[in-house]
Amino acid sequence: QSVLTQPTSVSGAPGQRVTISCTGSSSNIGAGYDVHWYQQLPGTAPKLLMYGNSNRPSGVPDRFSGSKSGTSASLAITGLQAEDEADYYCQSYDSRLSGYVFGTGTKVTVL
Amino acid sequence: EVQLVESGGVVVQPGGSLRLSCAASGFTFDDYTMHWVRQAPGKGLEWVSLISWDGGSTNYADSVKGRFTISRDNSKNSLYLQMNSLRTEDTALYYCAKDKGSGVADTCLDYWGQGTLVTVSS
Repeated sequence: QSVLTQPTSVSGAPGQRVTISCTGSSSNIGAGYDVHWYQQLPGTAPKLLMYGNSNRPSGVPDRFSGSKSGTSASLAITGLQAEDEADYYCQSYDSRLSGYVFGTGTKVTVL
Repeated sequence: EVQLVESGGVVVQPGGSLRLSCAASGFTFDDYTMHWVRQAPGKGLEWVSLISWDGGSTNYADSVKGRFTISRDNSKNSLYLQMNSLRTEDTALYYCAKDKGSGVADTCLDYWGQGTLVTVSS
């Protein structure tokens, strides 16, 4: 059972903006640990999409942005494209569990 | 180019044992912490274990603690996961992943393998 909660699904038309929330607690995001985001295209391995709350690895389009506040974080996708249809996971560290934790995952659908 | 290639996944009976391997290339293996992450069929990601660059620190998810053992051989650029007392709920695709740094907390996984499938069934 994940300690980071995400919406099960979000959807939007091409060109629209969608956001994915990641809600944690005082032992993970609220404790100051960074939030990272992964994109998993259908049938493939996860890929690092955002690290350190708001940093994009080389090659990730600037349509993707991240933020963190309090016990939550968010991933925004602007100018939604068909190729963005995938599962997205947040990840952080939890001091109570002394381990890494992933979010429940969000399926993004492009209408 | 960073490459991580997992192997060792098979069908095994409940209570059985299995050893997964991950061959790494394209980076200085002994500079980085390494992880195992699993994904049950149709489910989300679950972090399993990590090992520090020198093998001196390890950590496990509560769900596998006492049953799984992570190890590495830096001379062979290889990561391992010894899985004992397997349960049906351990059925998953197991990914090997490289940490972005050499720490054991508050970091991310910047490269992933394609995974190896472990099925625990009688």
